[in-house]
Amino acid sequence: GDSVTQMEGPVTLSEEAFLTINCTYTATGYPSLFWYVQYPGEGLQLLLKATKADDKGSNKGFEATYRKETTSFHLEKGSVQVSDSAVYFCALSRGGYQKVTFGTGTKLQVIP
Amino acid sequence: DVKVTQSSRYLVKRTGEKVFLECVQDMDHENMFWYRQDPGLGLRLIYFSYDVKMKEKGDIPEGYSVSREKKERFSLILESASTNQTSMYLCASCRPSYEQYFGPGTRLTVT
Repeated sequence: GDSVTQMEGPVTLSEEAFLTINCTYTATGYPSLFWYVQYPGEGLQLLLKATKADDKGSNKGFEATYRKETTSFHLEKGSVQVSDSAVYFCALSRGGYQKVTFGTGTKLQVIP
Repeated sequence: DVKVTQSSRYLVKRTGEKVFLECVQDMDHENMFWYRQDPGLGLRLIYFSYDVKMKEKGDIPEGYSVSREKKERFSLILESASTNQTSMYLCASCRPSYEQYFGPGTRLTVT
């Protein structure tokens, strides 16, 4: 079945550091790929998405590129801020009912 | 803005009680979902619905049931709550082929 593997957390970075959170997936066909973010005490919000190979999703300074050859969708940001502290979930979706398979989440803590 | 609301942010129930979690969305979305979120396990799909009165089991439906009598409302029911159902419950909705929108979650504690 489908699966998403993302790097274990927590990840602790200083403000303005470069961020990479790794995500790889297993799925047949051509799934859509997503990054969701969950701020403390809130539900998940869509951060960015990519629907086909080589697409780059971007939002709020975050980027991720759909790499079919390596089945990866790594999240990057050039300069993190304290306000980026949250849990980040990689996810994939395929099929008409949009069932989504989530990774286990990576907690990011950014310290001033 | 899309809004998904859940009836309670925090809920404490006793073992054996019947528990209702309500979710309402205001964007006329066809699809609605219930997940539970546990540390180290990510989100796991309990049930989903793609139309009024239609439902499909997700990955962990045991001990749960759902009801969708109106398009905007999707209820999760714990027939007889148990301590292993203590968790964060998240509701989501979407149009087919579009991203999901999540509610703020209900943190349920069963004692």
